[in-house]
Amino acid sequence: KAGVTQTPRYLIKTRGQQVTLSCSPISGHRSVSWYQQTPGQGLQFLFEYFSETQRNKGNFPGRFSGRQFSNSRSEMNVSTLELGDSALYLCASSLTPGHSTDTQYFGPGTRLTVL
Amino acid sequence: AQSVTQLGSHVSVSEGALVLLRCNYSSSVPPYLFWYVQYPNQGLQLLLKYTSAATLVKGINGFEAEFKKSETSFHLTKPSAHMSDAAEYFCAVSVLDTGNQFYFGTGTSLTVIP
Repeated sequence: KAGVTQTPRYLIKTRGQQVTLSCSPISGHRSVSWYQQTPGQGLQFLFEYFSETQRNKGNFPGRFSGRQFSNSRSEMNVSTLELGDSALYLCASSLTPGHSTDTQYFGPGTRLTVL
Repeated sequence: AQSVTQLGSHVSVSEGALVLLRCNYSSSVPPYLFWYVQYPNQGLQLLLKYTSAATLVKGINGFEAEFKKSETSFHLTKPSAHMSDAAEYFCAVSVLDTGNQFYFGTGTSLTVIP
């Protein structure tokens, strides 16, 4: 079974631009979560989607948004990029939400660099 | 509120020595606890998880962790370190009330000295 895939793997943007990252979950997984990883802040939860609906949201500004499609693939968008948005963005999928014992499987991440 | 504290952002051990990575949690309700490992330029891989069954949990690659409620701890151990264990290790907690939201510790970078 294929794992979680994220595209692109690397991205370089300039301040003020916007960016869209994509995540394809493991087949059969319907829940997708997004995390931002930086050296200073560690792993921070962005949001979680299930059945095309956002179920949870972390403490990030509205410039960060996401969506999920009917095939469970998810995208996240960051508008008006700032230097501080440079990070590794990780996507994780799991079977269903609301079951805290359910393992999250992570993709390799998208490395975003904002210049 | 839930939180995770990993004591020691950097740990160095000699090859063959005991590995001990510390994790303490704070949770108002019974937690579910996880250890993940991250190799350079890769995502996170699950090592093991505690879900209120046995308090001693065995994971992959010879790692294990013990849930101690009285100490609110979930320390990760491995009897004998291998060079391939060098990586970043993250402890995480999730609780029923928050669905799938994980709270991660800040990570511990493990160096194995030959």
